[in-house]
Amino acid sequence: EAEVAQSPRYKITEKSQAVAFWCDPISGHATLYWYRQILGQGPELLVQFQDESVVDDSQLPKDRFSAERLKGVDSTLKIQPAELGDSAMYLCASSAPGQGAILGSYEQYFGPGTRLTVT
Amino acid sequence: LAKTTQPISMDSYEGQEVNITCSHNNIATNDYITWYQQFPSQGPRFIIQGYKTKVTNEVASLFIPADRKSSTLSLPRVSLSDTAVYYCLVGVYGGATNKLIFGTGTLLAVQP
Repeated sequence: EAEVAQSPRYKITEKSQAVAFWCDPISGHATLYWYRQILGQGPELLVQFQDESVVDDSQLPKDRFSAERLKGVDSTLKIQPAELGDSAMYLCASSAPGQGAILGSYEQYFGPGTRLTVT
Repeated sequence: LAKTTQPISMDSYEGQEVNITCSHNNIATNDYITWYQQFPSQGPRFIIQGYKTKVTNEVASLFIPADRKSSTLSLPRVSLSDTAVYYCLVGVYGGATNKLIFGTGTLLAVQP
C-alpha cells in the first residue's frame, strides 16, 4: 500500500536555528497538506497545496515559516528561526485530486510525522 | 476561527457500541465531514466520511442530521485495539476558501 513519506522522523534543534522537513506524498495525489500538532491537541492546518499552488496558508506564521512544492510533487516546510513554542509534531498528508469546489473533502493519507523539539 | 468541539474522553468496555459526537456549527455548505483515528506517535488514519444522513462502512457508521451542525461517529462492538483519539474534520467558512478544522479530539479508552 502506498504511503506518505516524511523525514526526518525526529529533530532536536536549538532555538534560533533553522530546521526543514520533507514530505513525499502518495504518487498522483495533487493535494498536499502540512499540519502542526501540539501534544494533546488536534492537528492544525498550516498550508495546503493544490499541485504547486498554495490554496490556504492563512495559519502559517509567515515571519518564520515557509513551505514550497516546486514541481507539484514533494514538499519542504522550513522554520527559521525556530522558537521554543514550535516544539510539536509536524504532519504531512496528501489526497487525490478534488472535483469542483469541494476542496479538502477527500480522504487524507497522513505520513508518520516529524517530532520537533526546540531547546 | 469557529471551534469544532468533541467530548474530551469516553470510557467503554469491549463489545459495546460507542457513539462520539462532534459539534461544528459553522460547517461549509459544500464540504464533507470526515472522521480520523490516531494512535500515539502516528499520523491520523481515515475512518469514514459523509455529507448528510447516514453512511456505513466495514468499521463504523456516521450519522449526520439535516442541519449538519453536528455528526456522530458510531463504533460497533469496540475492542481493546480501538483505544485511541478520534477526531472529526470539517471545512468551515473562512473567506475565499473553506478552512479545514480538526475537532478537539476524543480519547476513547476501551477496557476488558
